[in-house]
Amino acid sequence: QVQLQESGPGLVKPSETLSLTCTLSGGSISSYYWSWIRQPPGKELEWLGYIYYTGSTNYNPSLKSRATISVDTSKNHFSLLLSSVTAADTAVYYCARNVPRSTVFGVVYAFDIWGQGTMVTVSS
Amino acid sequence: DIQMTQSPSSLSASVGDRVTITCRASQSISSFLNWYQQKPGKAPKLLIYAAFTLQSGVPSRFSGSGSGPDFTLTISSLQPEDFATYYCQQTYDSLWTFGQGTKVEIK
Repeated sequence: QVQLQESGPGLVKPSETLSLTCTLSGGSISSYYWSWIRQPPGKELEWLGYIYYTGSTNYNPSLKSRATISVDTSKNHFSLLLSSVTAADTAVYYCARNVPRSTVFGVVYAFDIWGQGTMVTVSS
Repeated sequence: DIQMTQSPSSLSASVGDRVTITCRASQSISSFLNWYQQKPGKAPKLLIYAAFTLQSGVPSRFSGSGSGPDFTLTISSLQPEDFATYYCQQTYDSLWTFGQGTKVEIK
């Protein structure tokens, strides 16, 4: 059974860098796309970016180049770095698997497996 | 950015009711639309992808329809385990966005 597990500090100081890792078990990270998504308390979901196992990435421009997603296939995990954090970055952070599926109108991506989420608070 | 607007933001319904949630995109997104269910303190769960395809293991009382800018998620007979928040998501362009969510509560 494929599972994802986020790990990292639950508290980060303002202006510092948030660092999270998502470890895959029960499968190989060397396929599919892998995303980070966050959810501020009581608010909606926000997709942050994805990485393909080859290392190609796509980011949400709203992060203004603060985010870096990397993958380590030898450790079967991928990571998120988010620099210059503020209180607005306080959220539950999820990692998820993006599965491309061929349809009559093109390739559709969906998040079919999610980690349980990890709460990150930005505070001094 | 493609904005996704769900309606209503919340609704109250009884077990056995038919429930419909709508999602409107700010531009046409063909059928690049997914639906998720989220329960309190849990990660979202994929229900439907590509507007109408049921994810494996999801009960058949859930269905999706629509294309272009307007989509619908229908629960044919609401069950106790269906009380949750539902989100739509588009993957039409390179910036994937979610709706603001629709909370389904017990009447």
